[in-house]
Amino acid sequence: RKEVEQDPGPFNVPEGATVAFNCTYSNSASQSFFWYRQDCRKEPKLLMSVYSSGNEDGRFTAQLNRASQYISLLIRDSKLSDSATYLCVVCQVQGAQKLVFGQGTRLTINP
Amino acid sequence: EAGVAQSPRYKIIEKRQSVAFWCNPISGHATLYWYQQILGQGPKLLIQFQNNGVVDDSQLPKDRFSAERLKGVDSTLKIQPAKLEDSAVYLCASSGTVRGEAFFGQGTRLTVV
Repeated sequence: RKEVEQDPGPFNVPEGATVAFNCTYSNSASQSFFWYRQDCRKEPKLLMSVYSSGNEDGRFTAQLNRASQYISLLIRDSKLSDSATYLCVVCQVQGAQKLVFGQGTRLTINP
Repeated sequence: EAGVAQSPRYKIIEKRQSVAFWCNPISGHATLYWYQQILGQGPKLLIQFQNNGVVDDSQLPKDRFSAERLKGVDSTLKIQPAKLEDSAVYLCASSGTVRGEAFFGQGTRLTVV
């Protein structure tokens, strides 16, 4: 079983739609969680951290469910510019911090 | 604040040749990562440094890959000899917070022909 699993997609949704991604992780000792965005031929960039209480940043909402070991990202009122790959990232602390990436979910917003 | 710097941006080499990549992390970041990303996949950790010490190199193909961070700042990743399957983007990232979020350089796109 992969340490961090995501549905690779692709997700093709119309502009203005709401889209949600889930990610599951296997290590219950994981401590920090993030969503990164990666555009084609670019490096991953931090989109948002994910907190236990859930957090929102504009049209983006991230949720963490520690009991079920999954993380979600919700994008409302999607824009063409939201087209990218979204990477779920889990930080484990085993001595030193260790970042583990999912394979990414590819999203395309269609006009 | 300056971000993570990597060079070169692109490199094309023939198989069995050697290649080296350089990374300068964000100032003050103790943790430095090298990742390999193959098209369509998420980044795969090759090696992680904490200051100048290696904390995880379990997925580094040590017969051909080596990395160092001698003074705890800049790092180099070397491949010798390169194979066709090494064609990928090599990403360097650094982290300096308790939460552990990492910041990436632009990467080096390696093509082995």
